[in-house]
Amino acid sequence: GEDVEQSLFLSVREGDSSVINCTYTDSSSTYLYWYKQEPGAGLQLLTYIFSNMDMKQDQRLTVLLNKKDKHLSLRIADTQTGDSAIYFCALGPGRRALTFGSGTRLQVQP
Amino acid sequence: EPEVTQTPSHQVTQMGQEVILRCVPISNHLYFYWYRQILGQKVEFLVSFYNNEISEKSEIFDDQFSVERPDGSNFTLKIRSTKLEDSAMYFCASSGGGLRKAFFGQGTRLTVV
Repeated sequence: GEDVEQSLFLSVREGDSSVINCTYTDSSSTYLYWYKQEPGAGLQLLTYIFSNMDMKQDQRLTVLLNKKDKHLSLRIADTQTGDSAIYFCALGPGRRALTFGSGTRLQVQP
Repeated sequence: EPEVTQTPSHQVTQMGQEVILRCVPISNHLYFYWYRQILGQKVEFLVSFYNNEISEKSEIFDDQFSVERPDGSNFTLKIRSTKLEDSAMYFCASSGGGLRKAFFGQGTRLTVV
């Protein structure tokens, strides 16, 4: 089955950029997502990228996809304390189930 | 923005009891899902549902679990005889339309004592 890996923890200073990385094994995924989970809350869809794209920018968020290396990243520009949360990458073959990574806890230091 | 709603937000139940977790998906969505997240662990897929039947289920979704769409708007997950290890956050999600983005509810925290 699909294996999706993320580093567990990232700490940055407010105003810096954050880069959260995700690697995966199955190249057949057509949709790749980033979700945000704040403490005690649900999963908020942040952004997504189709597998035929290399990059997508959405305000402060930039998603990069390297299909050859099976590597997905999320860059958050000008990181704020409100960005502190757990970030999950998830892969989906369209309407079927999503496979989630283990999540990266982002801590933003003031 | 439309959202997936789940009730209750927190449920405490005794081991061996039946629980029903409820979800109201986004109204024009066609695909419905349940996931769970044991504290500190990954979000795990349980089951997907389309056209009034299960389309896919994981090995976690054994005979003690069932899903139903009883009235065209609600989507429920029933756990027949709860075990301590069923304690987790349960997320409902729905997707539909051309992009197939899945939207998640806020989750129900189930605590089995």
